[in-house]
Amino acid sequence: EIVLTQSPGTLSLSPGERATLSCRASQSVSSSYLAWYQQKPGQAPRLLIYGASSRATGIPDRFSGSGSGTDFTLTISRLEPEDFAVYYCQQGSFGQGTKLEIK
Amino acid sequence: EVQLVESGGGLVQPGGSLRLSCAASGFTFSSYSMNWVRQAPGKGLEWVSYISSSSSTIYYADSVKGRFTISRDNAKNSLYLQMNSLRDEDTAVYYCARDLLPVVTAIPGWFDPWGQGTLVTVSS
Repeated sequence: EIVLTQSPGTLSLSPGERATLSCRASQSVSSSYLAWYQQKPGQAPRLLIYGASSRATGIPDRFSGSGSGTDFTLTISRLEPEDFAVYYCQQGSFGQGTKLEIK
Repeated sequence: EVQLVESGGGLVQPGGSLRLSCAASGFTFSSYSMNWVRQAPGKGLEWVSYISSSSSTIYYADSVKGRFTISRDNAKNSLYLQMNSLRDEDTAVYYCARDLLPVVTAIPGWFDPWGQGTLVTVSS
């Protein structure tokens, strides 16, 4: 079973800054199946990125995904107030999440 | 509008059973694989089960294998999760989610949309 480890656990940044979230797999995975989700309190998760780098419908272009093999990254180029949430990577199972909080 | 609506959650005693339902609308339900994902209070997401569009392929997480059964009724645009021998650690919000991967593979694909979730509480 592939284990996804996300880092950092919590990321404290200010609006306008750049956020870089990491997802590392315990063994090489196909980038075709790597996805990222955003979850806000009391809401269901929302698909952001699929196939490691393709944005889902309606997702702003400040969100981008990259990576291959065992290392994947979600980048938010300029943080908006609504971007502060918990982010999960997924390839079958989910990573443990990164909480992006306002500094 | 593509929509998923879960129902059937509630309070159940350890060892009890519960059946969750997920009603789909706004898309051709019979063309998509579906999943159940749960989230314990204050915790992360845990994939629970997958069913292909024709029900020919089914997967379960090890944590629920032998206790939970996923099924679907394409004529009713509905997905189900029969949960037996429930344990305290099954307490969670349960989400149904559409699988967007266009082929059946060894693992689930990516999920969109998700329902709003239904809370299952296992407690005496």
